[in-house]
Amino acid sequence: DAKTTQPPSMDCAEGRAANLPCNHSTISGNEYVYWYRQIHSQGPQYIIHGLKNNETNEMASLIITEDRKSSTLILPHATLRDTAVYYCIVRAPYTSGTYKYIFGTGTRLKVLA
Amino acid sequence: GAVVSQHPSWVICKSGTSVKIECRSLDFQATTMFWYRQFPKQSLMLMATSNEGSKATYEQGVEKDKFLINHASLTLSTLTVTSAHPEDSSFYICSALGTGTDTQYFGPGTRLTVL
Repeated sequence: DAKTTQPPSMDCAEGRAANLPCNHSTISGNEYVYWYRQIHSQGPQYIIHGLKNNETNEMASLIITEDRKSSTLILPHATLRDTAVYYCIVRAPYTSGTYKYIFGTGTRLKVLA
Repeated sequence: GAVVSQHPSWVICKSGTSVKIECRSLDFQATTMFWYRQFPKQSLMLMATSNEGSKATYEQGVEKDKFLINHASLTLSTLTVTSAHPEDSSFYICSALGTGTDTQYFGPGTRLTVL
């Protein structure tokens, strides 16, 4: 079973920030939070990941709460090309013996013109 | 960097035939690759973990004799769907662990249709 819970769908106006929440209340201390997105009929695309601290890259920002039980992916200026299903995943280190990606249902983000 | 390719991108075959799908890491070596399956309007489901030079580890409920996985080199893993049936029609996606990281990079997927 997926360790994350996400809203099934969200709309966002083009040019505005898209804030996608993820609940991972059972996350363990050594588990990372990962975000991917899947555009229709393509493989998932890596966006960003983090452990405790907030992270930012050229695609997005990741805000992780202090208790690590939830996080938010922020797309600062959404474009129509950001329309996709966004998956939040938590995973243990590869050397832990419990490494696995378990995909939940994700959030279907629709960016509106 | 971290580009993963799959071939073919789509395939149509007759029931009872076998189909081979290739997954390649183009600019890095991948000791571990993963195979997923995705049915329409559903999420990705992990089928198996493939380690270079050793037998694949299959998830519960996945038939190892039906879905043959070979990971013969650090850049290539193959999935062969044997005696395919219409219920095997799906989107098959591979991923590879990036060198020195625990991050998976995914291929573009292969759409299999069994008539």
